[in-house]
Amino acid sequence: EPEVTQTPSHQVTQMGQEVILRCVPISNHLYFYWYRQILGQKVEFLVSFYNNEISEKSEIFDDQFSVERPDGSNFTLKIRSTKLEDSAMYFCASSARSGQPNTEAFFGQGTRLTVV
Amino acid sequence: KNQVEQSPQSLIILEGKNCTLQCNYTVSPFSNLRWYKQDTGRGPVSLTIMTFSENTKSNGRYTATLDADTKQSSLHITASQLSDSASYICVVSASNAGNNRKLIWGLGTSLAVNP
Repeated sequence: EPEVTQTPSHQVTQMGQEVILRCVPISNHLYFYWYRQILGQKVEFLVSFYNNEISEKSEIFDDQFSVERPDGSNFTLKIRSTKLEDSAMYFCASSARSGQPNTEAFFGQGTRLTVV
Repeated sequence: KNQVEQSPQSLIILEGKNCTLQCNYTVSPFSNLRWYKQDTGRGPVSLTIMTFSENTKSNGRYTATLDADTKQSSLHITASQLSDSASYICVVSASNAGNNRKLIWGLGTSLAVNP
């Protein structure tokens, strides 16, 4: 069964460093998303990506964040100058389409980012 | 403000028993409502997706209901198994001009099934 894969599963970084979280969406999917979940809190939408550009982003997704689809298969989230409060589980998701009411988004297993 | 609230926050049941989880939402405009199962440290896995016109939908031992008038949904788990221990999250999609990108997440109900 096709699945969304994320690497690494756990990333520890020092405050101020840059990290890149990687995702391989399901191969025939066209819409890609990043979410984050701070421990004990709700999952929060960060950004959606379609046709090689950001289609929507939340207020969390400021200039510290960027996304890229560098080679047609990977979908990356870059966090510059990490802060302690960036520590969270980051989930990548993909869907075949976005405009239909019952489009299912498939989630990866997440990358746990710990900023120390 | 778009919000999804779930109850109870946590629940402990014995293996083989049934349980029902609740979800109330204030999301407009409404597109669909989803229930996800999230094992600890893993990504959410979709159980059901329901649109405005659907009142009930089943997926094996999981049955979701939706009352769009009262903006309530429930997830009923029948004959629980130890592997049902997880967080169950209600998620509502807010549509905007037909787009379906933004999901409003509840905090989840943490279910523990004990032998």
